[in-house]
Amino acid sequence: GENVEQHPSTLSVQEGDSAVIKCTYSDSASNYFPWYKQELGKRPQLIIDIRSNVGEKKDQRIAVTLNKTAKHFSLHITETQPEDSAVYFCAAVPTSGQKLVFGTGTRLLVSP
Amino acid sequence: DADVTQTPRNRITKTGKRIMLECSQTKGHDRMYWYRQDPGLGLQLIYYSFDVKDINKGEISDGYSVSRQAQAKFSLSLESAIPNQTALYFCATSDLRYRGNQPQHFGDGTRLSIL
Repeated sequence: GENVEQHPSTLSVQEGDSAVIKCTYSDSASNYFPWYKQELGKRPQLIIDIRSNVGEKKDQRIAVTLNKTAKHFSLHITETQPEDSAVYFCAAVPTSGQKLVFGTGTRLLVSP
Repeated sequence: DADVTQTPRNRITKTGKRIMLECSQTKGHDRMYWYRQDPGLGLQLIYYSFDVKDINKGEISDGYSVSRQAQAKFSLSLESAIPNQTALYFCATSDLRYRGNQPQHFGDGTRLSIL
């Protein structure tokens, strides 16, 4: 089945710096890649997603890129702010059973 | 997002007890999901339902059962709880018309501890 690996597991940056979180997936037929943000003690929230027919998508300070050949996708956060501190999860939809498979999460800490 | 409500928010119980976690939504979404979150393991799908008459097993359904009582309600049961089911449980919904079968809106979670 689909396997999603996420790196790094923790990431510390200074406010204003950029942050990049990378994920790889195993099923070449996967076609949908969402990203979720989970603040401490709160629910996961969908922040951005990308479909396999698109290479990049932006929404203000966040962007996601997809490389289908290499089977990896990344979340880019520019001009980081302390409120960006959270755990970020990537996910992929494999073709079998249409079940979303999550990465193990990246804890992002943005220091003032 | 108070549109997806989970009860209880916290529960401590003993091994062997039967437990039911409830989820209700006011978003009008057809699709509902139950996930389990363990530290360092991300979110794992337990069960999902695409409509009232549809129930599907996820990655880790053993030891769990579900009931979709209505479009707005999806409950998760642990028939005989065991300590390794201690975790944070999330209910989620999705809108077929917009996000297809992928969870969009999560509840606040139920923190379950089994002693």
